[in-house]
This record gives sequence, structure tokens and C-alpha cells, in this order.
Amino acid sequence: DGGITQSPKYLFRKEGQNVTLSCEQNLNHDAMYWYRQDPGQGLRLIYYSQIVNDFQKGDIAEGYSVSREKKESFPLTVTSAQKNPTAFYLCASSIDFSADRLDQPQHFGDGTRLSIL
Amino acid sequence: GEDVEQSLFLSVREGDSSVINCTYTDSSSTYLYWYKQEPGAGLQLLTYIFSNMDMKQDQRLTVLLNKKDKHLSLRIADTQTGDSAIYFCAEIDGGYNKLIFGAGTRLAVHP
Repeated sequence: DGGITQSPKYLFRKEGQNVTLSCEQNLNHDAMYWYRQDPGQGLRLIYYSQIVNDFQKGDIAEGYSVSREKKESFPLTVTSAQKNPTAFYLCASSIDFSADRLDQPQHFGDGTRLSIL
Repeated sequence: GEDVEQSLFLSVREGDSSVINCTYTDSSSTYLYWYKQEPGAGLQLLTYIFSNMDMKQDQRLTVLLNKKDKHLSLRIADTQTGDSAIYFCAEIDGGYNKLIFGAGTRLAVHP
């Protein structure tokens, strides 16, 4: 079955450490996204990528980095510069960004919960 | 900027109807979406409505759109315990490059 796989499900970060969250999709989607979810708040966009080797900052990109070397993969690195990284991180993908495809919006993975040790 | 607002909590009795409300600000939104999130999981698309529609029905789900008031609602008929989850309303921003989510409404279904 096609879908989005996020790993690990739980992750712990030590002070000053960078950690990388994995996101893989086999839906042949061009666009991929990373969101952060905090309790009582909606999802906030961290980074998104419309196509391989290209990505753009979202609303809260500071302290995060991404790469998009392959269509299937969009890893997110939470750097030591992110002072409040504890959150639930969700990866999503969609066919593309075209206005013609808005009836087929984003599909989500099951998330990674990141905590501070 | 764009904003989507929802009430944070709704409690209903099993078998009753649930109505979850949402207001949005971007009048150019062409599609509006409802997502469901179960505990510890990602978001699952429930339904969507195109802006030229007033209502869309899909089995137990009814979506109503009032464009004048920028108000969207999701009605769940015969609510079951399996419907307990967080429901997110979302709109596409004017540039079509991201979804704007509300904070989510936590629906609790009790016997």
C-alpha cells in the first residue's frame, strides 16, 4: 500500500545535539511538507518542497533544516539552535502544488514525537 | 494574514449529532478541508468542499459553507465513540502553496 512513513515514532534529544527525523513516501508525490504540532495549537508549517532539490521556508523555519535529494525522501533536522524542540512533528505530501489538484490535498504520516532529555 | 478559528472542545452523547464550527479569513479560498486526528496519529482527510458549493454530504458527514460569513461547519450524524478525535478545519492560502489549519476541536463522545 502507498503511504507516508515517518521514523522514529519517538525521539529524544540531548542539549546541543542535532537530530534528524525521517520521512519517506511511495505515493509518487512531488510536494512534501513538515509541520510542527503543539498542544492546543494548529499545525505550523516548518519547510516545504515542491520538487526535488528545491525547498522553501515555512512560517517557523528557524532552528530547522531540510534536504530533498530524492523525490521519496524529505528528512528534517532539528538543530541545537531550536531552543524549544519538544513537539509532535508531522510530514505530509501532495501530488503537486497546482491549483487544479486542490481536490487531492495533503496526505499525512503518523508523526514523530520529539522530547528533550 | 490568513487565520482559521475553531472552538477547542465539544462533548456529545453517543447517538446525537455533533456540529463542529470553523471561521476563516481568506475570501479567495477555493477549497476548505476537514481533517481528523486520532491520538498519536497523523491527520486523515475526512472531506472537503469547493467554494462554489453551499453543502456537501458524505454518508454521516455534512459540510455547510456560508461564504458571506466565512463560516464552515462539519456535522456528524449518529456520533459514535470511534468519532472521538481532534478535528481540524483548513483552508488553502491565496498563493496555493500551503494549508492554513485551525487549532483543532477535540470531540469527546460519551455514553
